[in-house]
Amino acid sequence: ETGVTQTPRHLVMGMTNKKSLKCEQHLGHNAMYWYKQSAKKPLELMFVYSLEERVENNSVPSRFSPECPNSSHLFLHLHTLQPEDSALYLCASSQDPDFRTQYFGPGTRLLVL
Amino acid sequence: QKEVEQNSGPLSVPEGAIASLNCTYSDRGSQSFFWYRQYSGKSPELIMFIYSNGDKEDGRFTAQLNKASQYVSLLIRDSQPSDSATYLCAVRGAQKLVFGQGTRLTINP
Repeated sequence: ETGVTQTPRHLVMGMTNKKSLKCEQHLGHNAMYWYKQSAKKPLELMFVYSLEERVENNSVPSRFSPECPNSSHLFLHLHTLQPEDSALYLCASSQDPDFRTQYFGPGTRLLVL
Repeated sequence: QKEVEQNSGPLSVPEGAIASLNCTYSDRGSQSFFWYRQYSGKSPELIMFIYSNGDKEDGRFTAQLNKASQYVSLLIRDSQPSDSATYLCAVRGAQKLVFGQGTRLTINP
């Protein structure tokens, strides 16, 4: 595996379900990010992790819970989501948490019913 | 007023011409500026970034900042059909990174 990988690539869930998105980077980077891309809205930065520590949380609802167990893995735990949370969730990584060398994963397409 | 604004396009440019993409921002204290390219159905890729202290050229791409008027531009020289994509502008202020809606660029052969 190379670059940034995300699983699953597609996910359909009900509003009462709990699911997790996984991201793995194979670039030796120290920072990881979660983004949300909706059809009608600009790309939104959700969370930033640097060396496994959350350094930025951009007013994201608590139904989204990130976890970064090590510098190569990032999770986004989802529970009691709303239909408006349906979107493409993108993971990215960079050498440092300054956005200058970001590489994005392919994304997880989430549909909340 | 939106924090970061871009003309959604589509912007059509003939092959070989210069494509000029603009982005305005509202936070006067913004320190760094990013341009991403996103092909249809693909993830964004970072193509340029500049800081508040100057412009930058990288191959056919030039990013320019006008702090007084609060806008940042991306110029693509000798446009190629492969440059056809949506270009996202992002601005980093003191607290957050904010994206524009993106400009769809089409290069016509």
